[in-house]
Amino acid sequence: DIQMTQSPSSLSASVGDRVTITCRTSQSINSYLNWYYQKPGKAPKVLIYAAFSLQSGVPSRFSGSGSGTDFTLTISSLQPEDFATYYCQQSYSTPHTFGQGTKLEIK
Amino acid sequence: EVQLVESGGGLVQPGGSLRLSCAASGFSFSSYNMNWVRQAPGKGLEWVSYISISSSTIFYADSVKGRFTISRDNAKNSLDLQMNSLKGEDTAVYYCAREGYENYYYYMDVWGKGTTVTVSS
Repeated sequence: DIQMTQSPSSLSASVGDRVTITCRTSQSINSYLNWYYQKPGKAPKVLIYAAFSLQSGVPSRFSGSGSGTDFTLTISSLQPEDFATYYCQQSYSTPHTFGQGTKLEIK
Repeated sequence: EVQLVESGGGLVQPGGSLRLSCAASGFSFSSYNMNWVRQAPGKGLEWVSYISISSSTIFYADSVKGRFTISRDNAKNSLDLQMNSLKGEDTAVYYCAREGYENYYYYMDVWGKGTTVTVSS
């Protein structure tokens, strides 16, 4: 199975900050990397697919980059609704493993 | 409105069985692969199972292989997960999720609200 390692596990930031979350995979997955966010008690929602493609309706302050084994999710200017948990997921091979999550909290 | 609605969760004793269902509406269910994903209390997301459009391809996580069975009925726009020999570690919110795609890149683009399974004596 492909192992996913997200960092950091948690992060404190302020509204307006630029934030970067990284995801590293145990083997190359080309660009088969998706990013989701989840609010407490809610279902996850996809933000980015294919490493850098923005899902329809997702604000442009979210961006993704990377290929191979190293990927990044960047939020250019944090908004209050962005405080949530973020997960990366690979869709290169089954099982389609998720990272352990990054909890983004208000400083 | 594109929607997935899970049902069938509840409290079950270890070793027991439960059948989850997911009702799809607002889209052509028979055109999409489907998944079950779960989340244990306070934990992250865990992919559980996948079924292709025609049910010809099915995958399971090692943690549920041999105990869970995924199935779908395209005529009824429904997805099921039969869970047998349940263990405490199966306690989780179970989500069904549609697998969207673009240019051979796949991602879970529609999720239900989830149904809670609690395995406890």
